[in-house]
Order: sequence, then C-alpha cells, then structure tokens
Amino acid sequence: GQQVMQIPQYQHVQEGEDFTTYCNSSTTLSNIQWYKQRPGGHPVFLIQLVKSGEVKKQKRLTFQFGEAKKNSSLHITATQTTDVGTYFCAGKYSGTASKLTFGTGTRLQVTL
Amino acid sequence: EAQVTQNPRYLITVTGKKLTVTCSQNMNHEYMSWYRQDPGLGLRQIYYSMNVEVTDKGDVPEGYKVSRKEKRNFPLILESPSPNQTSLYFCASRANGGIWTDTQYFGPGTRLTVL
Repeated sequence: GQQVMQIPQYQHVQEGEDFTTYCNSSTTLSNIQWYKQRPGGHPVFLIQLVKSGEVKKQKRLTFQFGEAKKNSSLHITATQTTDVGTYFCAGKYSGTASKLTFGTGTRLQVTL
Repeated sequence: EAQVTQNPRYLITVTGKKLTVTCSQNMNHEYMSWYRQDPGLGLRQIYYSMNVEVTDKGDVPEGYKVSRKEKRNFPLILESPSPNQTSLYFCASRANGGIWTDTQYFGPGTRLTVL
C-alpha cells in the first residue's frame, strides 16, 4: 500500500540549533501537507505544497517538496522552546482525492 | 469561532458496550474524517465522508461505523468495542474544492480506553 515514511522519530536539540524532518514516499505524491501537534493537543495545519521543487517559508520554518514529488522536508532554523511538538507530514496520492496518508511523525524536544 | 468539536473528550468503557463519539463542525465543510492516533503509528484514517450521505472506508475501518445525515455532524460508532480500539481519536473537516483548499481542521481529540 501507499506509505509515507518519516524520519527521524525523535530529535532532541538545544535551543538555537536547527532541526530537520524528512518524509519519503515510494510513489509520486499529488501534494503534501505538514502539521504540528503540541503535547496534549491536536494536529494543526501548517502548510501545503503542490508543485514539484516547491519551497515555502514561514518565519523560521522552511518547507520543501522534492523535484520528483516523492519527498519533502521541514527545516526549522534556530529552534525555540515553542517549537516543541510532533511534526507530521501527510501526503495525498493521485486518484485518492479524499485520502491523506500521514507519516509517523517526528517528535521534537527543545531544551535551554 | 470556526471549530470542530468532539464529545466526549475522555471515555473509559468495557468490552462490548456500544458507544458513539460525536463530531460537529461549524464551517460548512463538505468533507469530514475520523482518525485514530497510536504511539509509533501516527494518524490513521478510519472513515471519511465527502458529503451528506456519502461515506467511505479509510485505512483501518474494521470495528467502526459512521453516518453522515447532516453536513455538520459525523458521529463515530463502535458497536462492540474491544481493547485494541483503545486510542486517541480525532475528527477533522475541510472544504471540498480540489487540491488547493485542503486545509484540514482537527477537533480536540477523544481519548478512549476499552477495558
């Protein structure tokens, strides 16, 4: 079946360090979304990428969609304690108009 | 305020006792969905609905039922809950409108324990 693999599962950084999480699919994605879930909270939509090679920025967050539309990354520059949470990617495949396949998530811990 | 609400937020029940988790959204969204979240497995889709009276299975539909009689409501029904359905459940909604309008809004979650 279609799967979205996400790595790493967990990362612990010192505040001010950078962080990156990666998502990979074995088949081409129609688009990919990223969500953040704070501890004890619910997933919150961050961004959607649709075009091959697309790069989008939100303040310290940079999102990329690979040229082949099979992988994506989220990079956080100079992490802050407010970045703590689990980051999920969610991919949509062509022909599955209503289905999002979520990655397993990367849990980010930031300490001072 | 635009939101997705779920009830109850927490539930402890026993094997075999039918239960319903309600979900309601006030954004006039056509699409609604149920997910379960388990450690190490991420979010897995249970059922989804493209519109009223239109529902379809997600990745893990076994043991669950849904109905969509009204646009705003999408209840999740466990006819005979089992311990392996102990999980954190999220309802979500979004507008239909092609790939450009896929922002999905999640409810606060329902933590279910089946003993």
